[in-house]
Amino acid sequence: AQSVSQHNHHVILSEAASLELGCNYSYGGTVNLFWYVQYPGQHLQLLLKYFSGDPLVKGIKGFEAEFIKSKFSFNLRKPSVQWSDTAEYFCAVMGSSNTGKLIFGQGTTLQVKP
Amino acid sequence: NAGVMQNPRHLVRRRGQEARLRCSPMKGHSHVYWYRQLPEEGLKFMVYLQKENIIDESGMPKERFSAEFPKEGPSILRIQQVVRGDSAAYFCASSPQAGGGYNEQYFGPGTRLTVT
Repeated sequence: AQSVSQHNHHVILSEAASLELGCNYSYGGTVNLFWYVQYPGQHLQLLLKYFSGDPLVKGIKGFEAEFIKSKFSFNLRKPSVQWSDTAEYFCAVMGSSNTGKLIFGQGTTLQVKP
Repeated sequence: NAGVMQNPRHLVRRRGQEARLRCSPMKGHSHVYWYRQLPEEGLKFMVYLQKENIIDESGMPKERFSAEFPKEGPSILRIQQVVRGDSAAYFCASSPQAGGGYNEQYFGPGTRLTVT
């Protein structure tokens, strides 16, 4: 069965620290990969996505993620976090042959201290 | 362009009552997806609908849950005879075309269902 695992459930960082959130997936075929963010009181928004091509994907607000096929990973990174990055982050996978079903990880809560 | 709209935002039902959750997709979107988020868990896919068709309901509980997306009007997720375990946040997403491949899903703000 397809699954997504996010290693860190709760991360606390100081402003300007670097961020890396882990995401591993289990799926046998070609995948499309996503990171969503949910700011407090708001709905899910897409940060970035990978479909094909360059495995290093750049998204909004200075975020990037790297798809490493051999490790089934799609880790999210940001060199220097800001207080406004405090949010919950979800990794998601969609099999390319699927009907659009997104499989989500359990989420990582990021708290950035000013 | 208005985003995906869901109502109500908060819904309280007693055990045994029915819950109806509504989702209006973004303008021009004809594909709707419902997800459920239980406390301390990630979002779980429930159902994927196009206008007047259920495409994939593999995530729907076998009993008490149903979904529709009529030709006119919003998509409805209906939960009959609610139980405490149905308490969760229910999110709707929409996309302009089929969800596989290159089409991003846009999410609504969710409906938080509380069963007392």
